[in-house]
Amino acid sequence: DTAVSQTPKYLVTQMGNDKSIKCEQNLGHDTMYWYKQDSKKFLKIMFSYNNKELIINETVPNRFSPKSPDKAHLNLHINSLELGDSAVYFCASSQGQWTGGEQFFGPGTRLTVL
Amino acid sequence: AQRVTQPEKLLSVFKGAPVELKCNYSYSGSPELFWYVQYSRQRLQLLLRHISRESIKGFTADLNKGETSFHLKKPFAQEEDSAMYYCALNSGQGAQKLVFGQGTRLTINP
Repeated sequence: DTAVSQTPKYLVTQMGNDKSIKCEQNLGHDTMYWYKQDSKKFLKIMFSYNNKELIINETVPNRFSPKSPDKAHLNLHINSLELGDSAVYFCASSQGQWTGGEQFFGPGTRLTVL
Repeated sequence: AQRVTQPEKLLSVFKGAPVELKCNYSYSGSPELFWYVQYSRQRLQLLLRHISRESIKGFTADLNKGETSFHLKKPFAQEEDSAMYYCALNSGQGAQKLVFGQGTRLTINP
């Protein structure tokens, strides 16, 4: 299937733990994104990478560290998880930094911090 | 600051009735606006963009710079239109940085 995939789909963990979410796209895109959707359904961009280079870094705690080993992958590592990190995290990709606004989204990873 | 406001969290209309999902934005530059849709058990996907001036699945949206609005309209709603709709603004300069509204859940009643 040609798509953006994320693993895991669900993640339940204790406060203080460190966890990673992985994202892969096989669309041949060179730009990838991480979004956070909070309990009120607001979808907010966190990071964007173009050709493995960080191009957007919103005001996000430095406990969040994205890593892009290649153009097809963008992983999100979160240290010292807090209750407020509970959310749905979406990965997305696009071809080029500007392609008329079309981004292709993954299915989301629901993170619950207890 | 860039902001997108969708004043209705929930909207319910009957099949065959007209639909209008409201979107207002705040942006100092020349806006690029989009509507994204998420159907049940599907991924968020682009529905339409204002620069294309296209009609997708019977939906249209007109950018009104005077009212800073980009409302989504369809003259006759269908049951398959039930979904979550997000209005988005590209606030990046040279980079694609989408700012999303809170979303409106549209339910079409039979």
